[in-house]
Amino acid sequence: DTGVSQNPRHKITKRGQNVTFRCDPISEHNRLYWYRQTLGQGPEFLTYFQNEAQLEKSRLLSDRFSAERPKGSFSTLEIQRTEQGDSAMYLCASSWDNNEQFFGPGTRLTVL
Amino acid sequence: AQSVTQPDIHITVSEGASLELRCNYSYGATPYLFWYVQSPGQGLQLLLKYFSGDTLVQGIKGFEAEFKRSQSSFTLRKPSVHWSDAAEYFCAVGAGTSGTYKYIFGTGTRLKVLA
Repeated sequence: DTGVSQNPRHKITKRGQNVTFRCDPISEHNRLYWYRQTLGQGPEFLTYFQNEAQLEKSRLLSDRFSAERPKGSFSTLEIQRTEQGDSAMYLCASSWDNNEQFFGPGTRLTVL
Repeated sequence: AQSVTQPDIHITVSEGASLELRCNYSYGATPYLFWYVQSPGQGLQLLLKYFSGDTLVQGIKGFEAEFKRSQSSFTLRKPSVHWSDAAEYFCAVGAGTSGTYKYIFGTGTRLKVLA
């Protein structure tokens, strides 16, 4: 059990570019979550998957955001046409059913 | 609407002193409650959780928390703080329309430890 991993750890991009983040959950976990954390705030829920099915999306997740978990293992979060307001830490977590969520180290996105 | 309030944005304690971090929640059903700690540049580490049963729960690193349903509170305590405890602490409630999958976090309390 190596924990939840996320790549890249840091991403700097220019406004208007597309970015993609990857999350590898704890291997036996069936649920995977994405959160966003801005400076001085707690994490905010974006979306979650049960196996490969995306079951809920927050209103924070505009149509520029898309998340996938194609084989029920790793997940990707893509942001199209990035805006400066997208700058944040993007956190991934995983769990087995309703048990506690384990978080990865996050991907810090800076949009210039 | 569900919410979590951490009334103290910053707390400073001396090393060896006791610590108490406050958390109040608003949730209509029986809450699942959590305390996480986040060190600079790191993800969130779970300190402890409350699902049901005994209202005093023990966690890692010598932390414990007390759940009081009548006050909608989940208070984190440590008898003697170490310099390595300096970090940001987040309280969270597990919510969601059909389960507890959606964690709602407070804004955090930043702990500073004086030598």
